[in-house]
Amino acid sequence: GQQLNQSPQSMFIQEGEDVSMNCTSSSIFNTWLWYKQDPGEGPVLLIALYKAGELTSNGRLTAQFGITRKDSFLNISASIPSDVGIYFCAGRDWGSQGNLIFGKGTKLSVKP
Amino acid sequence: AAGVIQSPRHLIKEKRETATLKCYPIPRHDTVYWYQQGPGQDPQFLISFYEKMQSDKGSIPDRFSAQQFSDYHSELNMSSLELGDSALYFCASSTRTGGDQPQHFGDGTRLSIL
Repeated sequence: GQQLNQSPQSMFIQEGEDVSMNCTSSSIFNTWLWYKQDPGEGPVLLIALYKAGELTSNGRLTAQFGITRKDSFLNISASIPSDVGIYFCAGRDWGSQGNLIFGKGTKLSVKP
Repeated sequence: AAGVIQSPRHLIKEKRETATLKCYPIPRHDTVYWYQQGPGQDPQFLISFYEKMQSDKGSIPDRFSAQQFSDYHSELNMSSLELGDSALYFCASSTRTGGDQPQHFGDGTRLSIL
């Protein structure tokens, strides 16, 4: 089945740093979504992307839908402690009825 | 704004028992999706409903069934529970009105099988 390769798996951040993560796929997707999940809670939608090449911002977050439709990245600028959590990319392909395929997640932690 | 409501939040069952999870979508959302998330895993799609009809089916075991009711809420019925069914179960909702709309997730039901 389709798979999304999300990287990095985990990263440590220091307050104020910029963070970048990405997802790639061997298949084309028509929608890319980025979610954040805190422990014991459901994924919260951060950004939705619908057009190839689309660049969308939501506060300190910026995400882009790759021109080939096979990748997307998420950037977080000037990170703050509440940014810690697990970030998932999710894709929806042309053939599905809307169900999402998720990446394995990027776990953001604070540098000790 | 109203979000997706799931109940119960936590459920403990024993092997071979049955369980029913409920999902109340965001008002005016006509589509419901169910996902299963194991410990340290990403959510895996189980099944979806649009306008009370099954829309798509993923990796849902035959022991599980689901339906969407006239008020658009959905229930996931799980029978002959196994240890491996212990997971977080999420419901997400969206609407197909107005074009492509993203899914919004509830806070999940944590199912523990003893």
